[in-house]
Amino acid sequence: DTGVSQNPRHKITKRGQNVTFRCDPISEHNRLYWYRQTLGQGPEFLTYFQNEAQLEKSRLLSDRFSAERPKGSFSTLEIQRTEQGDSAMYLCAKERGNTGELFFGEGSRLTVL
Amino acid sequence: GESVGLHLPTLSVQEGDNSIINCAYSNSASDYFIWYKQESGKGPQFIIDIRSNMDKRQGQRVTVLLNKTVKHLSLQIAATQPGDSAVYFCAENTTGRRALTFGSGTRLQVQP
Repeated sequence: DTGVSQNPRHKITKRGQNVTFRCDPISEHNRLYWYRQTLGQGPEFLTYFQNEAQLEKSRLLSDRFSAERPKGSFSTLEIQRTEQGDSAMYLCAKERGNTGELFFGEGSRLTVL
Repeated sequence: GESVGLHLPTLSVQEGDNSIINCAYSNSASDYFIWYKQESGKGPQFIIDIRSNMDKRQGQRVTVLLNKTVKHLSLQIAATQPGDSAVYFCAENTTGRRALTFGSGTRLQVQP
């Protein structure tokens, strides 16, 4: 148990619909990360938060994607007008202190039909 | 561009043998490396890390070796067990960056 809870674990949606994923780090951590992983590939960085501030966003994060961490604890990742290319596993991770060590949740798998 | 890659997509070993998974990186500024294990349907699980001021680090049944001269690192698993079957990723980072860069993974299959 990495202490990162993600839900839903699986989401199937039709193209054009909006989806939202939630990440709950069990204990307080300053930094929270979102990654995306497609089949057979390693995770790719999307964005990260330090407390409630979103400090970096990847070029992968198109304007259809938005992430929030309103109170510096849980975070949400919303995808608007989903496309089939958005089908992937969306992973949330917390960082241990300032070490760079990331501990991942089990992920939210999105399938866009 | 910067990349982290793996030499072998699949490695098959006999139970009890030692396993060696290799990884090459291209960014000479990389100074922090992590190995992750990912089982089917689960998130990546931290195994061991190493910083560039070291060339070897040992954990429980695992050893990571770093060769900065040729930009190569390896993960050695001693006495491989069926529970070690998974996809293994190396990841790298550089001081001042927050985003880990992952390789594409090696699948380890342990034959009984």
